[in-house]
Amino acid sequence: DGGITQSPKYLFRKEGQNVTLSCEQNLNHDAMYWYRQDPGQGLRLIYYSQIVNDFQKGDIAEGYSVSREKKESFPLTVTSAQKNPTAFYLCASSMVRRNEKLFFGSGTQLSVL
Amino acid sequence: ILNVEQSPQSLHVQEGDSTNFTCSFPSSNFYALHWYRWETAKSPEALFVMTLNGDEKKKGRISATLNTKEGYSYLYIKGSQPEDSATYLCALLHGSSNTGKLIFGQGTTLQVKP
Repeated sequence: DGGITQSPKYLFRKEGQNVTLSCEQNLNHDAMYWYRQDPGQGLRLIYYSQIVNDFQKGDIAEGYSVSREKKESFPLTVTSAQKNPTAFYLCASSMVRRNEKLFFGSGTQLSVL
Repeated sequence: ILNVEQSPQSLHVQEGDSTNFTCSFPSSNFYALHWYRWETAKSPEALFVMTLNGDEKKKGRISATLNTKEGYSYLYIKGSQPEDSATYLCALLHGSSNTGKLIFGQGTTLQVKP
């Protein structure tokens, strides 16, 4: 079945540690996105990519980094510079054409030890 | 800063009740309005993508309307069932945004009691 796979489902980060969240899709989508959800808030865009080897900052990119070396993969690294990393992280993908709906993964819950 | 507001924040209804909730957004430079359903422990799934003023979309017992001039969209659920329990998200694609740079509301959480 085509879809988006995020791993791990739960992740714990120690102080000063970088952690990487995985996102893989087999939908042949060109565009991929990372969103963060905090309680009581809407999804906020961290980074997005519309083509391999290119990505743009979203609204809350500070403390995060991404790479897009393959069309299928868009990993997100939460660096030690992100002072409030505890949140639920969702990856999504879509065709690049406007008006295309997003397809979402099942998310990763990141917590700080 | 663009803001998308959803109301109410949460809603509890009995099975069989019909219900509706609202998504409000800035009407200038509108491009598209998305609705997603997010069930607990699952991934959000797209319900509708709406682009034209006066647009109405329907999927089973769920329907949505769009008013881009006044900046709102309504989502209706007719004869709610327990399986409709979920958080419903709306998201605005603004005219100045690239594809998929959606601005999400905070969601309306619906609980349908049997």
